[in-house]
Amino acid sequence: GAGVSQSPSNKVTEKGKDVELRCDPISGHTALYWYRQSLGQGLEFLIYFQGNSAPDKSGLPSDRFSAERTGGSVSTLTIQRTQQEDSAVYLCASSFDSLYSPLHFGNGTRLTVT
Amino acid sequence: GQQVMQIPQYQHVQEGEDFTTYCNSSTTLSNIQWYKQRPGGHPVFLIQLVKSGEVKKQKRLTFQFGEAKKNSSLHITATQTTDVGTYFCAMKTSYDKVIFGPGTSLSVIP
Repeated sequence: GAGVSQSPSNKVTEKGKDVELRCDPISGHTALYWYRQSLGQGLEFLIYFQGNSAPDKSGLPSDRFSAERTGGSVSTLTIQRTQQEDSAVYLCASSFDSLYSPLHFGNGTRLTVT
Repeated sequence: GQQVMQIPQYQHVQEGEDFTTYCNSSTTLSNIQWYKQRPGGHPVFLIQLVKSGEVKKQKRLTFQFGEAKKNSSLHITATQTTDVGTYFCAMKTSYDKVIFGPGTSLSVIP
């Protein structure tokens, strides 16, 4: 079956513009995660959804970042007024549940803010 | 908050040598997962450990969960160039979010 799908794969935007990143999880997966990975760095937790609700939003770097999930499926991560420090790869992952299931990652969206 | 350490940060080995990475948590864990990320790729799940003292093997890879369930290790016997990548441990914290260790980047010299 299809894996986790993220779009766009690459996004170049000008500083100050808003961007929207999309994640389509594996069908039936109830948990969905967003991470940010800067070049050569680790995975920075951003937000996690169980169904449509987000129990923990503590990883969002600032109030310019927001995320939502509708219908227990697709999720969008929105970054308003982008800054150069937002440049990174944004990875989405889904899992069957939030307990012991492994995370399945998408290929990520590479965001470049010029 | 919960702290996760992984050592070493980088490891360069000659092909055929062994490799070990260690993951340490500041709190007791319910389980631990290991992932591998090839250069330019995304993290891929390798294995999960749940029981205290658990040892699991996958071909040349051996995974161990500490008795106190606060640390774990991944050992690769006789490394090959296909082992190149970054190895991350991952664990659940409050509200069931999953956080990743900083990773160990492995380079294998042919």
